[in-house]
Amino acid sequence: GNSVTQMEGPVTLSEEAFLTINCTYTATGYPSLFWYVQYPGEGLQLLLKATKADDKGSNKGFEATYRKETTSFHLEKGSVQVSDSAVYFCARSGGSYIPTFGRGTSLIVHP
Amino acid sequence: GAGVSQSPSNKVTEKGKDVELRCDPISGHTALYWYRQRLGQGLEFLIYFQGNSAPDKSGLPSDRFSAERTGESVSTLTIQRTQQEDSAVYLCASRKTGEKGNEQFFGPGTRLTVL
Repeated sequence: GNSVTQMEGPVTLSEEAFLTINCTYTATGYPSLFWYVQYPGEGLQLLLKATKADDKGSNKGFEATYRKETTSFHLEKGSVQVSDSAVYFCARSGGSYIPTFGRGTSLIVHP
Repeated sequence: GAGVSQSPSNKVTEKGKDVELRCDPISGHTALYWYRQRLGQGLEFLIYFQGNSAPDKSGLPSDRFSAERTGESVSTLTIQRTQQEDSAVYLCASRKTGEKGNEQFFGPGTRLTVL
């Protein structure tokens, strides 16, 4: 079946550090890939997405590139802020109407 | 336009009582999903609606859980004879189908506490 694997957290960084959160997916079909962010006490919201190989999604300084050769969609940000502290979910859709989510990675950014 | 709304935002109930959770999706979104999120955990898929039919109920944890949807609008998730292990945040999401890459829009969730 379809699956998404993302690195376990928590990821703890100092402000202005570089962030990478790894995500890999099963390569069945031609999925679309997403990163969602969940701030404390809220629902998930879309952070960025990519619908085909080599597409780069970007938003709020975050980026992720759809890498078909490595079945990856790693999330990166060059300089994190305290306000980026949240839980990040990688997800794929395609081949089924039910998107598949990773388990989530908690990011904690210290001043 | 309005996003996905859920009510109530918080519900505290006693073990054994029934609860009903409501989700109002974005207008025009034919797909609707319910998830359960336990504290500090990921998303647990419960049920998916396409219009008012539910082609996939595979995630409902027991026959105490049921859901329905009126047309392409409101959905209710009902939990009968609640147990303490039902305590969680219940998230609803809707999505516009028909195009590749359409994302889900999530509501703020209902936090259920079973005493």
